[in-house]
Amino acid sequence: GAGVSQSPRYKVAKRGQDVALRCDPISGHVSLFWYQQALGQGPEFLTYFQNEAQLDKSGLPSDRFFAERPEGSVSTLKIQRTQQEDSAVYLCASSLKVWGAGYGYTFGSGTRLTVV
Amino acid sequence: AQKVTQAQTEISVVEKEDVTLDCVYETRDTTYYLFWYKQPPSGELVFLIRRNSFDEQNEISGRYSWNFQKSTSSFNFTITASQVVDSAVYFCALTVFSGGYNKLIFGAGTRLAVHP
Repeated sequence: GAGVSQSPRYKVAKRGQDVALRCDPISGHVSLFWYQQALGQGPEFLTYFQNEAQLDKSGLPSDRFFAERPEGSVSTLKIQRTQQEDSAVYLCASSLKVWGAGYGYTFGSGTRLTVV
Repeated sequence: AQKVTQAQTEISVVEKEDVTLDCVYETRDTTYYLFWYKQPPSGELVFLIRRNSFDEQNEISGRYSWNFQKSTSSFNFTITASQVVDSAVYFCALTVFSGGYNKLIFGAGTRLAVHP
């Protein structure tokens, strides 16, 4: 597609519920990133994929967070047993190459997760 | 430590005023990129500019200009003759080289309100 697509746009979950957030990157983009943006804060890095390999998950806040990109294209971020502190906007970004900086990063519109 | 500091949390100006958004960074990388993104109320991150560490030339794009100074580790952003449509949150970001790839780290953002 022309841009990075994320779904759903909004998600309300009851505390304890599992959620799955989808990211559809630009076709052919090797690198895929997930970021978490709490209200009034800058985006914080969660995890990085190079094709299907998850090379960095150092930013995942707990073992309740899990991400996958099984075929090197679409990625899913799953949060198990959601807590109120998980409420945030989850942003996905993709880049054409591994050395993404020179090619730039394209961000999706994000999924706003509200845990009640 | 590698980080981005945007000391101005909120700025309020009247239309047609000039405004400068400050960005100071810390990095141990010799090669890096700096970015500015705009985040309007709709939530997506809109790319404004990318600058690599070897290019200290200032850049002007319409009403926008950027001043990159390695000596002070700053990458400031000026909007000339601000307009109401410039109202948004602006983020400065820095690439961090980590395990063979670059990831972005963001500042906390500066919320700009331009009033008629």
